[in-house]
Amino acid sequence: AQSVTQLGSHVSVSEGALVLLRCNYSSSVPPYLFWYVQYPNQGLQLLLKYTSAATLVKGINGFEAEFKKSETSFHLTKPSAHMSDAAEYFCAVIPSGGYQKVTFGTGTKLQVIP
Amino acid sequence: DAGVTQSPTHLIKTRGQQVTLRCSPISGHKSVSWYQQVLGQGPQFIFQYYEKEERGRGNFPDRFSARQFPNYSSELNVNALLLGDSALYLCASSLSGNMGSGNTIYFGEGSWLTVV
Repeated sequence: AQSVTQLGSHVSVSEGALVLLRCNYSSSVPPYLFWYVQYPNQGLQLLLKYTSAATLVKGINGFEAEFKKSETSFHLTKPSAHMSDAAEYFCAVIPSGGYQKVTFGTGTKLQVIP
Repeated sequence: DAGVTQSPTHLIKTRGQQVTLRCSPISGHKSVSWYQQVLGQGPQFIFQYYEKEERGRGNFPDRFSARQFPNYSSELNVNALLLGDSALYLCASSLSGNMGSGNTIYFGEGSWLTVV
């Protein structure tokens, strides 16, 4: 079964510092990969998605992620953290083919320190 | 255009009762999926419906059921509620039933269910 592993349930960065949230997937065939953000007491908002068109994916709010097949990774980055980036981030995967069963990671809570 | 809309936003039920949650997909979207998010965890897949047919089912008991209507809206029903069913229930919609052609999945704000 497809799965994703998010390293670090909590990440703290200073405002203006680099944000790096790690995600590794398990699959022999490159799947569809996503990053979603969830603000407190809200639903999920799509940040970006990888669908094999390009390995470097740019998303909203200045976030981007790079698909690395050799490392089975899809890490999320942002050059400069803002206070408004404080939220929980979920990496998610859908296997190629089949129906839309999204499998989510356990989430990483990002804290931005002023 | 309106996004995925869910109702009710919050509700409290007693153990053993039944609950119905409703979802309206984005206009033009034919696929609806349901997820359960327990506090502190990632969402877990419950069902996907496409063109009123069940396309997939997650590892949930038969107390959970769903259906999709001709206008593509959907209902999730949970019978014989348990305390452990307390969670945020998320609905998601997309244009088609698979991930081809750059299909994107959009989530609603969710329905908070508390079972007491």
